[in-house]
Amino acid sequence: QKEVEQNSGPLSVPEGAIASLNCTYSDRGSQSFFWYRQYSGKSPELIMSIYSNGDKEDGRFTAQLNKASQYVSLLIRDSQPSDSATYLCAVPSSGGYQKVTFGIGTKLQVIP
Amino acid sequence: GAGVSQTPSNKVTEKGKYVELRCDPISGHTALYWYRQSLGQGPEFLIYFQGTGAADDSGLPNDRFFAVRPEGSVSTLKIQRTERGDSAVYLCASSLRGRGETQYFGPGTRLLVL
Repeated sequence: QKEVEQNSGPLSVPEGAIASLNCTYSDRGSQSFFWYRQYSGKSPELIMSIYSNGDKEDGRFTAQLNKASQYVSLLIRDSQPSDSATYLCAVPSSGGYQKVTFGIGTKLQVIP
Repeated sequence: GAGVSQTPSNKVTEKGKYVELRCDPISGHTALYWYRQSLGQGPEFLIYFQGTGAADDSGLPNDRFFAVRPEGSVSTLKIQRTERGDSAVYLCASSLRGRGETQYFGPGTRLLVL
């Protein structure tokens, strides 16, 4: 079992729709969770971080965390063509120094 | 302030050669990470520095890979006897204190081994 799992996609949504991106992780002790966006040929940039169970909203983005189910998701409302990118889920491991494991990334395509 | 910088941006080398990749983190960031990213994959963890010491080097694939951060700032990733399978984008990231905080990525070095 991979430590951080994501569906590689592509996930295609029409402009203006809600895009839902999912991630599961194996380390039950993990305490922080990150979503990064990566445009083709560019390096990852942080979109959202979440530490507590429940929802965290920032503009059009909402991160959802369920530690019991070891599941974290990212919702993008009113999707725009500029949101087309690969979305990476990143999970630091539990323990002292926290190696960070990334998922394979989900490629999102927003169709105008 | 300046972000994370990496040099060179591109490196082409021949199989068997030695290469060095450099990362200059954000000033004041104590944590520095190296990742390798192949096409269609997420970043693969290589090594994590906290200050001058390698806190976790469990991601280094074999003893041909080595990294240093002698003064707790700039880091160099060294690859000996390069192989074609080493071709990838090598990403460096830094964070203020590590411990699961936000990482800021450099632009990466694209390594091609012929």
